[in-house]
Amino acid sequence: ETGVTQTPRHLVMGMTNKKSLKCEQHLGHNAMYWYKQSAKKPLELMFVYSLEERVENNSVPSRFSPECPNSSHLFLHLHTLQPEDSALYLCASSQARRGPDTQYFGPGTRLTVL
Amino acid sequence: GQQVMQIPQYQHVQEGEDFTTYCNSSTTLSNIQWYKQRPGGHPVFLIQLVKSGEVKKQKRLTFQFGEAKKNSSLHITATQTTDVGTYFCAGGGYGNKLVFGAGTILRVKS
Repeated sequence: ETGVTQTPRHLVMGMTNKKSLKCEQHLGHNAMYWYKQSAKKPLELMFVYSLEERVENNSVPSRFSPECPNSSHLFLHLHTLQPEDSALYLCASSQARRGPDTQYFGPGTRLTVL
Repeated sequence: GQQVMQIPQYQHVQEGEDFTTYCNSSTTLSNIQWYKQRPGGHPVFLIQLVKSGEVKKQKRLTFQFGEAKKNSSLHITATQTTDVGTYFCAGGGYGNKLVFGAGTILRVKS
């Protein structure tokens, strides 16, 4: 148990659906991240929130929309996804300092887009 | 942009054999981190190296950070079935961003 929880753990959705992924961290960290993990690809950083402010967006398609209402919660809103968006979506948190710090990952949400 | 290459992609060893994975960055790193992901699990932090030429050990695992802070290695001595998983290096660049390597999948035959 790393102190980072994600729900749901598994999600199957059609291309016209709207769904949201939720992440919560209980570690007192002030930075949270969304990563995408596809087969045979490196972990792809999607979004970073540090002190509740989004500081990075790696050209992620607009069908993915993050929300960080406070330092403990992070959401990823999904709409009109494509089959190639099927992947494991991992949330992570860290204590933001000057430079990259250890990241604590949640168990992930396995997303399948039909 | 910053890239982190990791080799090999996959290694299958006999239990008791040694294993090494290598990580190379296109740019100088502020630090290097290593993570392990068990099958069906999520990445779990193993260690962080910060200093040029640094070597750290955790039981049978030895981690090295190159003198130029652009490469790193993880060596496992006498592998066990519990070592099975994917080992990722992650290079620290600007701000809070980590760039992950593609990972090395380790399988151990008993």
